[in-house]
Amino acid sequence: EAQVTQNPRYLITVTGKKLTVTCSQNMNHEYMSWYRQDPGLGLRQIYYSMNVEVTDKGDVPEGYKVSRKEKRNFPLILESPSPNQTSLYFCASSLVQGAGKNGYTFGSGTRLTVV
Amino acid sequence: QKEVEQNSGPLSVPEGAIASLNCTYSDRGSQSFFWYRQYSGKSPELIMSIYSNGDKEDGRFTAQLNKASQYVSLLIRDSQPSDSATYLCAVIGGTTDSWGKLQFGAGTQVVVTP
Repeated sequence: EAQVTQNPRYLITVTGKKLTVTCSQNMNHEYMSWYRQDPGLGLRQIYYSMNVEVTDKGDVPEGYKVSRKEKRNFPLILESPSPNQTSLYFCASSLVQGAGKNGYTFGSGTRLTVV
Repeated sequence: QKEVEQNSGPLSVPEGAIASLNCTYSDRGSQSFFWYRQYSGKSPELIMSIYSNGDKEDGRFTAQLNKASQYVSLLIRDSQPSDSATYLCAVIGGTTDSWGKLQFGAGTQVVVTP
């Protein structure tokens, strides 16, 4: 089944403790992206990657890191999480940059709480 | 000004009626437009894409695009309780900075009442 897999689905952590949210897609998509979703603010792009070893900042990159060492994987790293990073996170992928007619395929989401 | 704007709702629609959702965007060079449906706590799922001015129909859904007015809409005919969700408008920008970036509106919550 074609899908984007995120883990974990839920995570509660403490301020300053490094964490990684994994994202993997099995559709051979070139383009991958991370979004966070907050009430009233919609989905905001954190980072995106056009291909292996090519990443760039989105609209809200502060406090986050990413890497794209393999085409299928695009982990999101929070080196020192803070409470304002409490949010619902989505990984998304598409065949090409610009989404194409099929738009993005989204993972199931990761609800992160930083206390 | 937000790049993609939607009324937050909630939009209350009687079962069987037509739900009309509106979206405006600021980037005049935008070329690709999408509507996603998102149930509470779930991930967005694509329901419609539109690229040319005019209407595009898919089952009970019709997307309408007017690039001159920078306006895209979604009609849901014969609304069902299962249509109760938040609908996200998304636009791919046309400027050098925004090309390839899918920008989302904050979403319109639709509630279909029996």
